[in-house]
Order: sequence, then structure tokens, then C-alpha cells
Amino acid sequence: NFMLTQPHSVSESPGKTVTISCTRSSGSIASNYVQWYQQRPGSAPTTVIYEDNQRPSGVPDRFSGSIDSSSNSASLTISGLKTEDEADYYCQSYDSSNRGWVFGGGTKLTVL
Amino acid sequence: QVQLVQSGAEVKKPGASVKVSCKVSGYTLTELSMHWVRQAPGKGLEWMGGFDPEDGETIYAQKFQGRVTMTEDTSTDTAYMELSSLRSEDTAVYYCATDSSSSGDFDYWGQGTLVTVSS
Repeated sequence: NFMLTQPHSVSESPGKTVTISCTRSSGSIASNYVQWYQQRPGSAPTTVIYEDNQRPSGVPDRFSGSIDSSSNSASLTISGLKTEDEADYYCQSYDSSNRGWVFGGGTKLTVL
Repeated sequence: QVQLVQSGAEVKKPGASVKVSCKVSGYTLTELSMHWVRQAPGKGLEWMGGFDPEDGETIYAQKFQGRVTMTEDTSTDTAYMELSSLRSEDTAVYYCATDSSSSGDFDYWGQGTLVTVSS
């Protein structure tokens, strides 16, 4: 089993750039694709990044994803922050060893 | 476009079972890999189980094995998740979610079903 560890919360001002990290505890971050989901209060999650760095149609190009093998982590970067970006963000990946899906603990983004 | 519509909120006593449904439209159930994810109040997302297209089997998270059963009725394109031996810690919103391209991206989600376990 591996865990995906995210910061509990981050905050930044409108117009700025924020990066949320997702560190894999064991095994290579590059072994399986990482997805990122946005969840606003009272709503179901929606995908903002899939397959490490792909954006679904309709997601602004202010959202980008990457992986870094040296730190064994994935990152979600949001540039030109808007108040509407305020939400919880979750990373997710597949555990091939245990044949199951793993979510990070989630990061609360505050735009103030 | 896939739409997933879940059944309504449930209140159950400890020790009881609950069965949540998820009706698919826009696709047929056989075209999708269906998963179930839950979220306790104020907590994060937790994968419970789902369809593994590599071998055509439904797989369950170890935490729920023996207590959860996921089934599908392809005649009505409805998926079901039944959780037994409920305890207060099972109080959560339960979501169905699909991986429509078998890429690992849970790209469509139901609206969620609140299950409250209370004596």
C-alpha cells in the first residue's frame, strides 16, 4: 500500500499562483497516472487534471499538472487565482500492487 | 454525456444494511467502469471498490471486504452498492463514479447519497 500526502490547506491572493503537492509514500509516482479533483462545498468532485497533466475540456488552462520523480510527488498549479477556485482539491492514483484506487487527504484552497 | 442519478438519503440503525442505487443514462452500464467512493462529514474521499476492466472483476478496498457488495443490473443500467453491519463511522455521503475511458479518471459522478447511521 502507498499513501498520497497533501498539505491540509493553502491560501493565496486573487491573481497569484498556487501549487498543491501530492507526495507518494512508496513506489514511483511515475508508475501510475495521477488525477486531480476539485470539490466545492455540497457538490460532487470534478476532474481538473487527468493522466498527470491533461486538462478535460472546459477546465481553464490556468490549471496545470506535473510529476517530479526526484521528490516522488505530483503537483497541481493554479495560476491567475480567482475566488471561484476556492475549493478542496484531491489527488488520486492507482495502486497496482493492491489493485485499488488511492486518494490523497485533500487540500483546502482559500483565495483571499 | 454520462449522467448518474443516485437514490435518496437513508437513515439506518447500527447493525443494519443499506443499499444505494446509481442509475446511468447517456451510456450503457456495460460501457463503463463503475466505482463507489464515500466521504464522511468533514473528511476526505475514500475509494470503496469498483470494476477493474483488466480482468473484468469488481474489486473492493481491503477495509470493506466482507461488508460491501457491488452489483449491476444491465437491464436497467443501474448499479448498486450494499454495505452491511453498519456502524456510526459509516455515516457518510456515498458517491458512484465512472471511469468512462478506463484511464483511471473518475470523470462522471453521481450527486451523492447521505447515509446516516444512528440509534
